[in-house]
Amino acid sequence: SYELTQPPSVSVSPGQTARITCSGDALPKKYAYWYQQKSGQAPVLVIYEDSKRPSGIPERFSGSSSGTMATLTISGAQVEDEADYYCYSTDSSGNHAVFGGGTQLTVL
Amino acid sequence: QVQLQESGPGLVKPSETLSLTCTVSGGSISSYYWSWIRQPPGKRLEWIGYIYYSGSTNYNPSLKSRVTMSVDTSKNQFSLKLSSVTAADTAVYYCARAAVVVIGDFYFDYWGQGTLVTVSS
Repeated sequence: SYELTQPPSVSVSPGQTARITCSGDALPKKYAYWYQQKSGQAPVLVIYEDSKRPSGIPERFSGSSSGTMATLTISGAQVEDEADYYCYSTDSSGNHAVFGGGTQLTVL
Repeated sequence: QVQLQESGPGLVKPSETLSLTCTVSGGSISSYYWSWIRQPPGKRLEWIGYIYYSGSTNYNPSLKSRVTMSVDTSKNQFSLKLSSVTAADTAVYYCARAAVVVIGDFYFDYWGQGTLVTVSS
């Protein structure tokens, strides 16, 4: 079955840039999406279609995708950005949805 | 603003069937795909499947043999049934709206708050 691979954890100091990667064989042909999940809450979409930002999401969140890797970048990370981040995409058939394993972002 | 709310038993016995309903408010259930996603404690999100408002379905192959989804457009609700549950099915279950970008590319733009279902005798 198709898998998306993320690093388990990323740690930065406040104001630094955090980068979270996601690798998957189908990413050259499929969009990547990113969800932020804070403890005890439902996931929130922060990036869609590789690099678009939904309304209400701060400009410090950006996304990119090249080849088999997608990247979520948080420029000037803030303490309130501490959360688990999940990448998401569909498999090569386009029929099935897959989430990455999640990356715990620590900002302190 | 579309809102989704899950409802159903929080405790299910092993070997029995888990049943949940999602009520959609603030918009019509028509013309969209609707999904169930779950998250075992401390683990990753897992897509269970989706149902179109017309009733067509698509399930995660790993759960397909145990999953049934249905939709009631008159009540603006859709439902999940997962049969023969075990402790491994203990999770927070979310309902979500699936937005289709193009055929074969979809994502989840609105989510319910989630409901914890525990499988235990």
